[in-house]
Amino acid sequence: GENVEQHPSTLSVQEGDSAVIKCTYSDSASNYFPWYKQELGKRPQLIIDIRSNVGEKKDQRIAVTLNKTAKHFSLHITETQPEDSAVYFCAASRGNFNKFYFGSGTKLNVKP
Amino acid sequence: DGGITQSPKYLFRKEGQNVTLSCEQNLNHDAMYWYRQDPGQGLRLIYYSQIVNDFQKGDIAEGYSVSREKKESFPLTVTSAQKNPTAFYLCASTSDRYYGYTFGSGTRLTVV
Repeated sequence: GENVEQHPSTLSVQEGDSAVIKCTYSDSASNYFPWYKQELGKRPQLIIDIRSNVGEKKDQRIAVTLNKTAKHFSLHITETQPEDSAVYFCAASRGNFNKFYFGSGTKLNVKP
Repeated sequence: DGGITQSPKYLFRKEGQNVTLSCEQNLNHDAMYWYRQDPGQGLRLIYYSQIVNDFQKGDIAEGYSVSREKKESFPLTVTSAQKNPTAFYLCASTSDRYYGYTFGSGTRLTVV
């Protein structure tokens, strides 16, 4: 089955700095890669996703890059704000209607 | 609750007791999933169902059971065979027209 590894497990940045979280996956058939943000005690919320036919996707301060050859994808958050503090999970899936495999999560702390 | 409702929010189980977690969705999604979340770990798949009256085991199905008698409902029973059930349980759903998951708000189960 798929194995998704995520690094780092914790990340502390100063407000205004950038944050980068990296994930690798093992199943070359995976073609959908979402990122979720989870605040303490709450449900995960989708913040951005990318499909394997695209190398990069941006949404305001958030971007995701995908390297299919190396089987890794990354989340980039620019101009971080205290409200970005949360746990972020990456996931991989074979796409439509298929189960997700999640990384172990990254706890991001943005210091004011 | 964004179309998918989990109840109760908190649940306490005594040793040797079976408990059932509820998950209901009104999104007309065909597929539903149960994940377990432990501190410092990602989401691990317990069971999933892509159609009524059919379900498959995930990676950590031992000690759990499910049913899918209605499209809207996918209850999870934590049996006494599950030796370490204390965790946060998340239900999710998706459709064949949508790549991402919609998550419920979760149930925190504690053994007392």
